[in-house]
Amino acid sequence: NAGVTQTPKFRILKIGQSMTLQCTQDMNHNYMYWYRQDPGMGLKLIYYSVGAGITDKGEVPNGYNVSRSTTEDFPLRLELAAPSQTSVYFCASSYLGQGVQETQYFGPGTRLLVL
Amino acid sequence: AQSVAQPEDQVNVAEGNPLTVKCTYSVSGNPYLFWYVQYPNRGLQFLLKYITGDNLVKGSYGFEAEFNKSQTSFHLKKPSALVSDSALYFCAVRDFSTGTASKLTFGTGTRLQVTL
Repeated sequence: NAGVTQTPKFRILKIGQSMTLQCTQDMNHNYMYWYRQDPGMGLKLIYYSVGAGITDKGEVPNGYNVSRSTTEDFPLRLELAAPSQTSVYFCASSYLGQGVQETQYFGPGTRLLVL
Repeated sequence: AQSVAQPEDQVNVAEGNPLTVKCTYSVSGNPYLFWYVQYPNRGLQFLLKYITGDNLVKGSYGFEAEFNKSQTSFHLKKPSALVSDSALYFCAVRDFSTGTASKLTFGTGTRLQVTL
């Protein structure tokens, strides 16, 4: 299993540009998450999904959109990039069901710089 | 709302000495608690978790954590630190505030520096 993979690893955007951060997991997890990590701030939840076709907002959803058309993929879309979106973005997945696992598994992250 | 506090931004310890990274939590109901480690330029890796049962939880790389309900703490410990343990450590608690979704609330992290 590759686990959780993210692309790209690093990206520089200009203000107002858009981009999609890709996330894929091969563990057949039903839950997927997007976090951003800012220095000294820990991780903040942007969006999450409890299964294909179902998404919901986290703590800091403004400026982002997500979709979950398949179990494996959970892309994060930035429509109009702003300097405040400079951060490291992590995707994670977990399984919640019979024999509850609860543990979240993280991807390697995408470092985004908005100039 | 659930929350976790990691009161120390950084912990310094000499190799071979025991280490403790502190975490306190605030939840309504029974807590699900987690520790994750982040090495430079890497994602978070799961170390251990407390859901129920024995208050002393053993995890990866020789780490353990003790759940203390009366002190609302879940401190991470290791009997003998290694230089390779130097990393950023996060405590997290499952957020039950919205009911169904399995979401975690993370602390701000503690940087562990182990020196020779």
